[in-house]
Amino acid sequence: NAGVMQNPRHLVRRRGQEARLRCSPMKGHSHVYWYRQLPEEGLKFMVYLQKENIIDESGMPKERFSAEFPKEGPSILRIQQVVRGDSAAYFCASRRDAVYSDTQYFGPGTRLTVL
Amino acid sequence: KQEVTQIPAALSVPEGENLVLNCSFTDSAIYNLQWFRQDPGKGLTSLLLIQSSQREQTSGRLNASLDKSSGRSTLYIAASQPGDSATYLCAVSGWDGANSKLTFGKGITLSVRP
Repeated sequence: NAGVMQNPRHLVRRRGQEARLRCSPMKGHSHVYWYRQLPEEGLKFMVYLQKENIIDESGMPKERFSAEFPKEGPSILRIQQVVRGDSAAYFCASRRDAVYSDTQYFGPGTRLTVL
Repeated sequence: KQEVTQIPAALSVPEGENLVLNCSFTDSAIYNLQWFRQDPGKGLTSLLLIQSSQREQTSGRLNASLDKSSGRSTLYIAASQPGDSATYLCAVSGWDGANSKLTFGKGITLSVRP
């Protein structure tokens, strides 16, 4: 059973370009979370999605950031017109449907560098 | 707003020592608490999850306890080894079980000296 997969593992973009980060949850998991880890900071929640629905995007910047989790395919975190402050590690986590909160399994992360 | 604190930020111990990592949180209305391990440049590995109704969980040399009323958790590592060197993160899940987003501490970077 493959774990959570993220690609690319490393991404370099110039200011003003777009960054697309992909996350494939574990098999059977329909809940996806995105977190961001800035240098010298802890991980911060960005957005929570279930298939085709955004449940909570309270941690996501209002502009330039968007996320989706389509019926088929991976979840995508999209950052438009990247700036240097977007340089960070972006982690995706997934969990199965559960009556109560269940363990979140994390992917290896995508390290975004904005030049 | 939930805040999670882990002090100290770094810890260095000799191999073989038993040690305790502390975590505190401000809002006791949590659903569960997880301890993770993060190696440099890597993702997070879940070590232990404690439901709010539980007091502790054990896995091998690791034991995590939870005192929800006082907003504290500890991760006990027995007979530490150099391979235990990593950053240990504590995270809590909010009361709304439908959304188990995690609030993380900044982590404790542990170095176990041979």
